[in-house]
Amino acid sequence: DAMVIQNPRYQVTQFGKPVTLSCSQTLNHNVMYWYQQKSSQAPKLLFHYYDKDFNNEADTPDNFQSRRPNTSFCFLDIRSPGLGDAAMYLCATSREGAASGDGYTFGSGTRLTVV
Amino acid sequence: DAKTTQPPSMDCAEGRAANLPCNHSTISGNEYVYWYRQIHSQGPQYIIHGLKNNETNEMASLIITEDRKSSTLILPHATLRDTAVYYCIVRPYTNAGKSTFGDGTTLTVKP
Repeated sequence: DAMVIQNPRYQVTQFGKPVTLSCSQTLNHNVMYWYQQKSSQAPKLLFHYYDKDFNNEADTPDNFQSRRPNTSFCFLDIRSPGLGDAAMYLCATSREGAASGDGYTFGSGTRLTVV
Repeated sequence: DAKTTQPPSMDCAEGRAANLPCNHSTISGNEYVYWYRQIHSQGPQYIIHGLKNNETNEMASLIITEDRKSSTLILPHATLRDTAVYYCIVRPYTNAGKSTFGDGTTLTVKP
């Protein structure tokens, strides 16, 4: 089945140590998103790629970066994780045009713990 | 982006219909209403979407008011597995736009 896969499912990193989360998709969707979800809160959009064009949210900290080397893969880099960055990180994809009916397809998420 | 407002929590008896409301009074003409649900520790799952007509699929029905300022998600026969957080999102037609998740409704289905 076509899907969005996030690895790893759980990630523990040290305070200040760079960490990379990965997302891959087999849907051939042209848009990929990264969301941050803290406990008992709604997902918050960090940024998205429309094809190769990167779109950052205004309030996303500089500590968060992203790379999309090809259509299928997208990475979230946290340069210096702080305790406040502990959260579930969700990757999502979509195909151009809401009328396509696909909406967003989400991965299962990576739960990041900072120690 | 249009914002959505949902009640924070609702209960429903197993086997009964669950009706989850959403207010999106600032929705614009090119925005669709999408519903997702999130079961604990999983990614959100697509349920249904619509523009202005009522929609039904194998999971649920979506009723959108004529002025499009609110909608209701209906789970016709709720089961215990429907216990989740339900998010109503308004989404621009083009993917280059983004959507904001509201706080969602925690639906608890009780035996």
